[in-house]
Amino acid sequence: KNEVEQSPQNLTAQEGEFITINCSYSVGISALHWLQQHPGGGIVSLFMLSSGKKKHGRLIATINIQEKHSSLHITASHPRDSAVYICAVRSDYGGSQGNLIFGKGTKLSVKP
Amino acid sequence: DSGVTQTPKHLITATGQRVTLRCSPRSGDLSVYWYQQSLDQGLQFLIQYYNGEERAKGNILERFSAQQFPDLHSELNLSSLELGDSALYFCASSLGRRTEAFFGQGTRLTVV
Repeated sequence: KNEVEQSPQNLTAQEGEFITINCSYSVGISALHWLQQHPGGGIVSLFMLSSGKKKHGRLIATINIQEKHSSLHITASHPRDSAVYICAVRSDYGGSQGNLIFGKGTKLSVKP
Repeated sequence: DSGVTQTPKHLITATGQRVTLRCSPRSGDLSVYWYQQSLDQGLQFLIQYYNGEERAKGNILERFSAQQFPDLHSELNLSSLELGDSALYFCASSLGRRTEAFFGQGTRLTVV
């Protein structure tokens, strides 16, 4: 079982829809990151969270440390939001030694 | 623009060859991380340097090595290349271990 699980793996939405991507993890963490990777390959850091909720424009990220779960929400989705969204956790325990452990990503396609 | 610069963007080379990937971190960032993204494995942590010293190692093959120079730029050396080494290689930098990491655009390595 992967230490970081994302769902869904693939998501297709119509423009304007509210989107939720989920991330569950099984290790103790010091922070959780949401990353965006566009088809060209570059990775952009969207959020770093250790508790609560953060908002940036149409993007909202929440984390529940007790439940080991995070969600990324996109309001009023747009075709330019089409990308792969990757959840990554920073664990200070065990072999990962404080470095990032990645989920396999959620591929989002927003249709006009 | 994340402020992290990776060169080259694309690299095509033959099996058995040796290549060097270069990363210039954001101004002021002391930590540099290298990651490999292959189609079947997703993103995996390779190695981390902090202010010139190796800080942590992940799933890095013995054929691969890295270093961080006094000006904080880093190089990842890949030798005796195999077809399976074809992947996107990302560099990221951060001020410290517990701060947000910023990713470069990646180097796409194709081994033929």
